[in-house]
Amino acid sequence: KQEVTQIPAALSVPEGENLVLNCSFTDSAIYNLQWFRQDPGKGLTSLLLIQSSQREQTSGRLNASLDKSSGRSTLYIAASQPGDSATYLCAVRPWGNTPLVFGKGTRLSVIA
Amino acid sequence: EAQVTQNPRYLITVTGKKLTVTCSQNMNHEYMSWYRQDPGLGLRQIYYSMNVEVTDKGDVPEGYKVSRKEKRNFPLILESPSPNQTSLYFCASSFEGRWGEQYFGPGTRLTVT
Repeated sequence: KQEVTQIPAALSVPEGENLVLNCSFTDSAIYNLQWFRQDPGKGLTSLLLIQSSQREQTSGRLNASLDKSSGRSTLYIAASQPGDSATYLCAVRPWGNTPLVFGKGTRLSVIA
Repeated sequence: EAQVTQNPRYLITVTGKKLTVTCSQNMNHEYMSWYRQDPGLGLRQIYYSMNVEVTDKGDVPEGYKVSRKEKRNFPLILESPSPNQTSLYFCASSFEGRWGEQYFGPGTRLTVT
């Protein structure tokens, strides 16, 4: 059964730093991987979607990479800002008629 | 504006009183699903639908029902709510479930006393 792990569970950095969030998954048979942002008590906002045939996707200060063979993805945030403070969730879409499998998230705090 | 809407956003109810949480999307997505989010357990899928009149169980379907009579709507029904169904619920939709980017609604916080 697919399992998704996100490390660290929480991270605090000063404003302006570049940072990397990690996501690992146990089964490389996936259709795609998606990164989300969730603000406290709010819904999930899609940040980046990487199809299994892709290596990375970029949107503004965000860059997500995918190494399917090693079961890893990273989300790189450049020049972090206090407004980036949120929980970041990684989810994979396994092969077959199965739902998205979510990690438990990394709670990021960017300190001004 | 492309969006997934849910109603109500907040609901406090008592054990056994039937309730429905509505979900609607305006993006003509085929695939819709319901999740619940609980501290320490993360997001878990309840039910999903690949298209009109096609629904299937997710990871935690017990105590829930769904229907998909129209493409845009996917209501979640709790016939006899219990306190262990107190949670934050999200509806999501996408094109072609296996490939598509998932869009989430704002969430419904349900408390069952």
